[in-house]
Amino acid sequence: DARVTQTPRHKVTEMGQEVTMRCQPILGHNTVFWYRQTMMQGLELLAYFRNRAPLDDSGMPKDRFSAEMPDATLATLKIQPSEPRDSAVYFCASGLTVNSNQPQHFGDGTRLSIL
Amino acid sequence: AQSVAQPEDQVNVAEGNPLTVKCTYSVSGNPYLFWYVQYPNRGLQFLLKYITGDNLVKGSYGFEAEFNKSQTSFHLKKPSALVSDSALYFCAVRDMGDSWGKLQFGAGTQVVVTP
Repeated sequence: DARVTQTPRHKVTEMGQEVTMRCQPILGHNTVFWYRQTMMQGLELLAYFRNRAPLDDSGMPKDRFSAEMPDATLATLKIQPSEPRDSAVYFCASGLTVNSNQPQHFGDGTRLSIL
Repeated sequence: AQSVAQPEDQVNVAEGNPLTVKCTYSVSGNPYLFWYVQYPNRGLQFLLKYITGDNLVKGSYGFEAEFNKSQTSFHLKKPSALVSDSALYFCAVRDMGDSWGKLQFGAGTQVVVTP
């Protein structure tokens, strides 16, 4: 079964440190999404890419968050500097937009704790 | 704009009893509808989808969902619940005219199946 792979699975770091989360989308998928899940806010869409180009990052705090796709096999989400309120589970999902009735496929997430 | 409502934060059911998780949606055009399940410390897993055609859609693990256009609903059902069905369930909608593939998720419903 093809899977979306996210690394690291867990990250604990101190406030002010840079955090980088990585995602390998399913081969052949041309759309990548970044979500954040918290108990209070539920599932929030942060940013998404199509064919490696950012389409919408309006859900992301621009001053500290950045998302990129250096190539078709790697998407990154960076937080610099990190803050305790960034503690959450971050999910990457990939999908096909040739036919938008196809589901997104999620990775198992990066659980981030900022102390 | 599109939106999804899952009116119940939690559904409790005894093992062997029928399970229903409710979902209503709003889109400007015609909808693509999806159900996902999330187990602890895992990403969202696709269960089933409605695109067009038969209003009763069958999916993984014995789940099915019924599309009702007049009530703008897409309730998830399982005739006989298992303890292993205990998880967080998300309904999601995409406007058929949205070629970018952006999904709107509901807040999620926690399902607790007791032995």
